[in-house]
Amino acid sequence: GDSVTQMEGPVTLSEEAFLTINCTYTATGYPSLFWYVQYPGEGLQLLLKATKADDKGSNKGFEATYRKETTSFHLEKGSVQVSDSAVYFCALSEGSSASKIIFGSGTRLSIRP
Amino acid sequence: NAGVMQNPRHLVRRRGQEARLRCSPMKGHSHVYWYRQLPEEGLKFMVYLQKENIIDESGMPKERFSAEFPKEGPSILRIQQVVRGDSAAYFCASSPTAGPFEQYFGPGTRLTVT
Repeated sequence: GDSVTQMEGPVTLSEEAFLTINCTYTATGYPSLFWYVQYPGEGLQLLLKATKADDKGSNKGFEATYRKETTSFHLEKGSVQVSDSAVYFCALSEGSSASKIIFGSGTRLSIRP
Repeated sequence: NAGVMQNPRHLVRRRGQEARLRCSPMKGHSHVYWYRQLPEEGLKFMVYLQKENIIDESGMPKERFSAEFPKEGPSILRIQQVVRGDSAAYFCASSPTAGPFEQYFGPGTRLTVT
């Protein structure tokens, strides 16, 4: 079945460092891809999305490009802040009308001042 | 516009008791989804409901778990005869239409079974 694999955490970086969180997926069709963020004690928030190959999703300085040839959707940010400390989830859903989101196991990110 | 509301935020039950988790979707949303997050894991889909209908329950355990979304009132996730393995965070999401793009998540209910 469909699945998402993302790099294990925790990831600890200094403020202003460059961030990459790797994510690869397995899907039989043409999924939509997402990054969600979960701040401590809160629910998930959609960070960015991409619905077809070569699409780039971006939000709050974060970017991810849908790479069909490598089945990847890596999350990047050029300069992280302490406020970016959270758990990040890569996810997919098959088709625009699908109801189910399949999540990766999450990557905990901690940013040192 | 208030977001997705879940209550209680924390719930402690002894083994064998029943747990009832409530989810009030965002105003105007008629689609509700339940997910379970075990410690240090990602969220796993459980069930998708529209008003008075279960659309997809492929992620629901076959026994002890049930869900409803009545015409009036919140969606309820019910776990009968809880066991320690049911301890998890349960998240509800809602959307105005079917599909993943506009699923808005609630803060979750953290269930602890002692």
